Formats: sequence, structure tokens, C-alpha cells
Amino acid sequence: QQQVKQSPQSLIVQKGGISIINCAYENTAFDYFPWYQQFPGKGPALLIAIRPDVSEKKEGRFTISFNKSAKQFSLHIMDSQPGDSATYFCAAYDFNKFYFGSGTKLNVKP
Amino acid sequence: DTGVSQNPRHKITKRGQNVTFRCDPISEHNRLYWYRQTLGQGPEFLTYFQNEAQLEKSRLLSDRFSAERPKGSFSTLEIQRTEQGDSAMYLCASITSGAADTQYFGPGTRLTVL
Repeated sequence: QQQVKQSPQSLIVQKGGISIINCAYENTAFDYFPWYQQFPGKGPALLIAIRPDVSEKKEGRFTISFNKSAKQFSLHIMDSQPGDSATYFCAAYDFNKFYFGSGTKLNVKP
Repeated sequence: DTGVSQNPRHKITKRGQNVTFRCDPISEHNRLYWYRQTLGQGPEFLTYFQNEAQLEKSRLLSDRFSAERPKGSFSTLEIQRTEQGDSAMYLCASITSGAADTQYFGPGTRLTVL
């Protein structure tokens, strides 16, 4: 059973638009929720992360929104750029292990 | 470069052969993870080490898979009698124990089993 469910599977956004990727989880023991960005042929790289005691975290054009009661969190990419075209993974951590979503392939059209 | 390194980057082998991959973590990281990633999926946990001790193995890891981390430094992942279903990207990551935000991934080893 997948611990973290991610949607959509793919996303096409025009340059300058907002990209939104959603994730949901069930395990309330998760205490850290990172997002990773992966380019073809590379390993995932940490983009931004949040802990469940806050509802939002912003770093530059990237924002995580976290809804603890709904057990959902999302990544918002403002002013999306062609260089943001990559696969994005949400994840959840329960002290020992990371559980990853299935990924969202983002394509930002120029 | 002080990041996580993995070798080889690509491996093509015939079914039934044994393969071994190496991961060199960030030196101050005492926890090391192995993941498997197939096309269109997120990384799946295989096993992890804290220093030299292997603390957990996924049920995905059949008895054909074995991992070691001698002296708590680099780690190796061996697959014996490879099968076509083993074809995947094998990722290594390291963190400082208890500090989840320090997880860094290596570039991965792409395994193709013919």
C-alpha cells in the first residue's frame, strides 16, 4: 500500500504560471515532509521541506502548504520557468525511513 | 566534490550474472540508504545502515540482494543471479541520523538486465 499518494502524474504549465502538485498521507507518525526535484539522469535533490507544526513554508518561488487535519500537503511553484521542467516527488519521513510519492512530471512551456 | 557518489553510473548485464554497486556517502553522514527507482515511480526503500549496522531491509529485497557497509563508510549493494525485473535505477542517499533534512542522493546506478 502506497504511503504517500501524489497527483497529478503529469502537468503542463505555461511560463509564468503557477504549478500545483498535491500529496496525501495516512500515517500520522510522519513528522517531516520534503519535496524533491529530479532531472533526467540525476538523483533527487531536496527542494523545500516542512514540519507538521507549520501550515506554510515559502522559499523563493516555491511554497509548501500543509493541512494537518486533512493529511494533505502541496507544492506551489510561482512564476514557473522552463528550467523548472523536471519530475517532482513529495515524501514523508517517520524517523527512520522516507516514503515517496509516485512523482509528477512538470513541463513548463516557454 | 563532497556529495554522494555512486559507481558505476551504468551497468548492463546478462540475466543470471552477479552485479555489485558502490556508494560513497558524505563523510559525516552516519546513516546510508539504498533505494530502487523504476520508470515513472518514486524511490522505493530497500535498506538502510546506521554506521556499519544494517538496521532494516524492505520485503522488496529478496535473498538475491545483499548490502554491506564495512567500517561505516562506503556501502556496496550486490545482486546475485540478476533477473530482467531487477532493471532499475539504484539510488544511494545519506543523512545524519535524526536529521531528515540532510538527506542527499547520489546520481544513481542504472542497471539494465538483458
